[in-house]
Amino acid sequence: DTAVSQTPKYLVTQMGNDKSIKCEQNLGHDTMYWYKQDSKKFLKIMFSYNNKELIINETVPNRFSPKSPDKAHLNLHINSLELGDSAVYFCASSHSYEKLFFGSGTQLSVL
Amino acid sequence: AQKITQTQPGMFVQEKEAVTLDCTYDTSDQSYGLFWYKQPSSGEMIFLIYQGSYDEQNATEGRYSLNFQKARKSANLVISASQLGDSAMYFCAMRGNNFNKFYFGSGTKLNVKP
Repeated sequence: DTAVSQTPKYLVTQMGNDKSIKCEQNLGHDTMYWYKQDSKKFLKIMFSYNNKELIINETVPNRFSPKSPDKAHLNLHINSLELGDSAVYFCASSHSYEKLFFGSGTQLSVL
Repeated sequence: AQKITQTQPGMFVQEKEAVTLDCTYDTSDQSYGLFWYKQPSSGEMIFLIYQGSYDEQNATEGRYSLNFQKARKSANLVISASQLGDSAMYFCAMRGNNFNKFYFGSGTKLNVKP
């Protein structure tokens, strides 16, 4: 039973396209996140949702739009993809002050 | 502002030896948590160990221990008896009073030599 699952694992697309990454957690956590890991492996928080409410929205281009239909799901939609969006995107979840549980990551390659 | 610093971009250790990965942090929060994660070449993020700011004892989990020095604001990870499978990126992370926000360091790439 996967705790945090995200799909797809790999996403290869052309510049200018729109794509979505889906994330689901079955841990009953109240907080979900999107992180971006760049080519230098630096992990940067993008968004955080607590009980479907947007809590954190870092300086992310508005081409990135998260959507949380319920506590267990947090999807990431990206419009007009650019070369610089190529990265690994991690979904994660946590309960209150506890540790982060990560999904397996989505490797996005924009050509 | 919260900040996590890992000053060792890469390290080598001989198999079966112990290794210390450095992590310093900066926060004005009284209550915070410190975490270490491992990221092998396969890419997944694996939780290793947690230390709460009010915990008086250093955390230990099997071969992992966290050397917590609160006054110096350091939370170094010690891996004892290194194994080849320990070769990976290691990230130090902190969460302050805003429990929704985890801050990550830049990571240390550990290579274990046979």
